Amino acid sequence: GESVGLHLPTLSVQEGDNSIINCAYSNSASDYFIWYKQESGKGPQFIIDIRSNMDKRQGQRVTVLLNKTVKHLSLQIAATQPGDSAVYFCAENMGRDTSYGKLTFGQGTILTVHP
Amino acid sequence: DADVTQTPRNRITKTGKRIMLECSQTKGHDRMYWYRQDPGLGLRLIYYSFDVKDINKGEISDGYSVSRQAQAKFSLSLESAIPNQTALYFCATSDLDKSGYTFGSGTRLTVV
Repeated sequence: GESVGLHLPTLSVQEGDNSIINCAYSNSASDYFIWYKQESGKGPQFIIDIRSNMDKRQGQRVTVLLNKTVKHLSLQIAATQPGDSAVYFCAENMGRDTSYGKLTFGQGTILTVHP
Repeated sequence: DADVTQTPRNRITKTGKRIMLECSQTKGHDRMYWYRQDPGLGLRLIYYSFDVKDINKGEISDGYSVSRQAQAKFSLSLESAIPNQTALYFCATSDLDKSGYTFGSGTRLTVV
């Protein structure tokens, strides 16, 4: 989930396990959500997105779940691999106005996968 | 070649100096953004531009300015750098109806 202060949440898993990364978003009017992966020394990379009219969306080895009632987003990674080790960010698009495309990012979660 | 290229990759500068970070893209996207990343604080929006004639302030624009020289180029300037502007800076682009951003590899700026 969201962190407080300067310490990012961390998740450590064994290779082959499933991982669940959580995110609480702030704006009930947000209509679009994205998960990004950031590896050390690189820019964030798009993983998967979901619109507010959906509860679940699946990609390759990843699933995003959206619970609008409690403003909660999760990213599930199946059969986690060492290459999945990275910082994961959720992002929300704040509303349906002309500023569509201006994302607000969460603080991130560090995922470490042990062989 | 990368879709979004940032230069320089690393820069150390002194307090009070003016510095420009550059971003160019080959995606053909109209929308470009500058974000700042600090440990534990995620990415925060500095400025954004939805087309060549459009410039908008983000949540932390104080101390920064931008220039959109062309569709493909969006530069960020620190007029008088200060140590708390030490951070990792990312440029990103997006298309109107497509999902997500494409990020550059970042510029690590240190102000001493």
